[in-house]
Amino acid sequence: EPEVTQTPSHQVTQMGQEVILRCVPISNHLYFYWYRQILGQKVEFLVSFYNNEISEKSEIFDDQFSVERPDGSNFTLKIRSTKLEDSAMYFCASSVEDDLEAFFGQGTRLTVV
Amino acid sequence: KNQVEQSPQSLIILEGKNCTLQCNYTVSPFSNLRWYKQDTGRGPVSLTIMTFSENTKSNGRYTATLDADTKQSSLHITASQLSDSASYICVVVNLEYGNKLVFGAGTILRVKS
Repeated sequence: EPEVTQTPSHQVTQMGQEVILRCVPISNHLYFYWYRQILGQKVEFLVSFYNNEISEKSEIFDDQFSVERPDGSNFTLKIRSTKLEDSAMYFCASSVEDDLEAFFGQGTRLTVV
Repeated sequence: KNQVEQSPQSLIILEGKNCTLQCNYTVSPFSNLRWYKQDTGRGPVSLTIMTFSENTKSNGRYTATLDADTKQSSLHITASQLSDSASYICVVVNLEYGNKLVFGAGTILRVKS
């Protein structure tokens, strides 16, 4: 069964460093998303991406964040100059249509020390 | 303000018993309401999706209901199994924000033998 895959599963980084979280969405999906979940808190929407551009972003997704689809398969989230409060699980998701079921990856646990 | 509230926060039941989880939302206008199951440290997995016009939807032992007038939804789990232990998250899709998913905090269900 097709699935969304994320790498790495766990990343530890020093405060101020840049990290890139990688995702391979399901191959025939056209809509891509990033979410984050701080430990013990709700899942929060970060950004949606369609047709090689951002279609929606939340207040959390400031200039520190960027997304890219560098090739036909990968979808990346870059976090520049990480802060302690960026520590969270980051989930990538994809869907065929924007209002249909979104399939989530297993997440990348980012720990900023 | 667009919010999704779930109750109870946590629940412990014996294997084989039924349970019902509640979700109230203020998201408007909405496209659809979804219930997800999230195992610890994993990505959410979709259980049901209901549009505005649907009152009930089943997926095996999971049955979701929706009352769009009162903005309430429930997820009923029958004949619970140990593997049902997880967080169950109610998600409402917000039409105004290009189908941004608004997540509830989840109900943590623990099924005991």
